[in-house]
Amino acid sequence: QVQLVESGGGVVQPGRSLRLSCAASGFIFSSYGMHWVRQAPGKGLEWVAIIWYDGGNKYYGDSVKGRFTISRDNPKNTLYLQMNSLRVEDTAIYYCVREDFDYWGQGTLVTVSS
Amino acid sequence: IQLTQSPSSLSASVGDRVTITCQASQDISINLNWYQQKQGKAPKVVIYDAATLETGVPSRFSGSGSGTDFTLTISSLQPEDYATYYCQQSYSTPLYTFGQGTKLEIK
Repeated sequence: QVQLVESGGGVVQPGRSLRLSCAASGFIFSSYGMHWVRQAPGKGLEWVAIIWYDGGNKYYGDSVKGRFTISRDNPKNTLYLQMNSLRVEDTAIYYCVREDFDYWGQGTLVTVSS
Repeated sequence: IQLTQSPSSLSASVGDRVTITCQASQDISINLNWYQQKQGKAPKVVIYDAATLETGVPSRFSGSGSGTDFTLTISSLQPEDYATYYCQQSYSTPLYTFGQGTKLEIK
C-alpha cells in the first residue's frame, strides 16, 4: 500500500534552516509529481510547493518562494524540503502529498521559536 | 485565485442535511475538490472535479457547482462526518489554493 513518511521536523530558531524528508513506498515514486502542504496549529491548509515527477519543474507558494527548495531523489524514493531563513510564521505541520492529493503522509511538526 | 468558504463553522445534529459553500474569486470551471480532515489526521479527498465522489466515500456526500460557486452537501449527517471540510482549486495548476475551512460540530 502507498505510504508517505515525513521526518526532520523539530524546533529551530528564526533565521535558521531545516530539511524535511519524505520516504515514499508502495507506488512508482518516479512516475508522480509530489507536493508539500502545511498547516499552522489550529489553522487551515496551505499549499507550499510541487515538484514534477522527474524533478524538471518546481513551483512554490508566494509565502515561501525564495526561501524554500523542493527536491527529490528518485532512486531513494525520497522527497525533500529545504527550508532556509525560517520565520515564526513557518511553524506548522508539513505534509508530503502525492500528485493528485490522493495520498498524504502523517505530517511532521516544525516549530520556529527563539 | 481566492476561495471563500461559508460558513466557517456549523453545528448540526445527526440526520441533518448540511450544505457548505465555496466561492472562487474567478471562473475555475469544475476544477474544485473537497477534503475532510478529522482532528489529528491528514486530510482525505471526498469529492473531486466539483461533483465526482471519491472511491469509498459514502453516497450521502455530494458536490455541485461550476464557475465560481460550489457546494458540498451531506444528505443525512452521521457521527463520523464531524470534521473540518476544505475546498481546493486545481484550475491554476501547478499552483493550488485551499479555502479557509468549515468546522462541522455536533449540535
